[in-house]
Amino acid sequence: DQQVKQNSPSLSAQEGRISILNCDYTNSMFDYFLWYKKYPAEGPTFLISISSIKDKNEDGRFTVFLNKSAKHLSLHIVPSQPGDSAVYFCAASAPIGETSGSRLTFGEGTQLTVNP
Amino acid sequence: DVKVTQSSRYLVKRTGEKVFLECVQDMDHENMFWYRQDPGLGLRLIYFSYDVKMKEKGDIPEGYSVSREKKERFSLILESASTNQTSMYLCASSLTATNEKLFFGSGTQLSVL
Repeated sequence: DQQVKQNSPSLSAQEGRISILNCDYTNSMFDYFLWYKKYPAEGPTFLISISSIKDKNEDGRFTVFLNKSAKHLSLHIVPSQPGDSAVYFCAASAPIGETSGSRLTFGEGTQLTVNP
Repeated sequence: DVKVTQSSRYLVKRTGEKVFLECVQDMDHENMFWYRQDPGLGLRLIYFSYDVKMKEKGDIPEGYSVSREKKERFSLILESASTNQTSMYLCASSLTATNEKLFFGSGTQLSVL
């Protein structure tokens, strides 16, 4: 049961244009959402996050939008740069207990390629 | 910056071998995690630990065990490696139980022949 889905395994964009990566989730208990970026031969690194009490969070060229009613979030990269070429993972968090805290569920990942 | 170090970048093992994957973090984080990454499946949680000597099963714990004797070190053990455990293994840590921001190691690509 894939609770977090990234339906596009790959995406191409032109340098200077917008890249939009999408993510859908099914678990209504998720209350915090994150995007991670992964380059080959490296571990994923945190990119941006959003709490379920917000519908938008912006950090430089990166903006995450959350639509709770649709259980959908998206990552916008404007303008896209060739260095943004990487695999992007969407992740969602739900509390699991006072001592165990919360844990993340990841999507399958989307390979973004930004062409010069 | 937080550093999460995985002892091996690449490992090749034979079916039935016992395999140890080691992970060390240097920022006194409480939580540590082991994930595996497979194409088309994303990152799946194997085990995690929120304190020394504490462990919790993740989504796919079968065939794995873990050890956390010291706060900075979290080991993943494959008791009897099988070919379906060929994967990229990623260790991660986070500051507290409610801090979802994970810091990942570079990963260990394990091949079981």
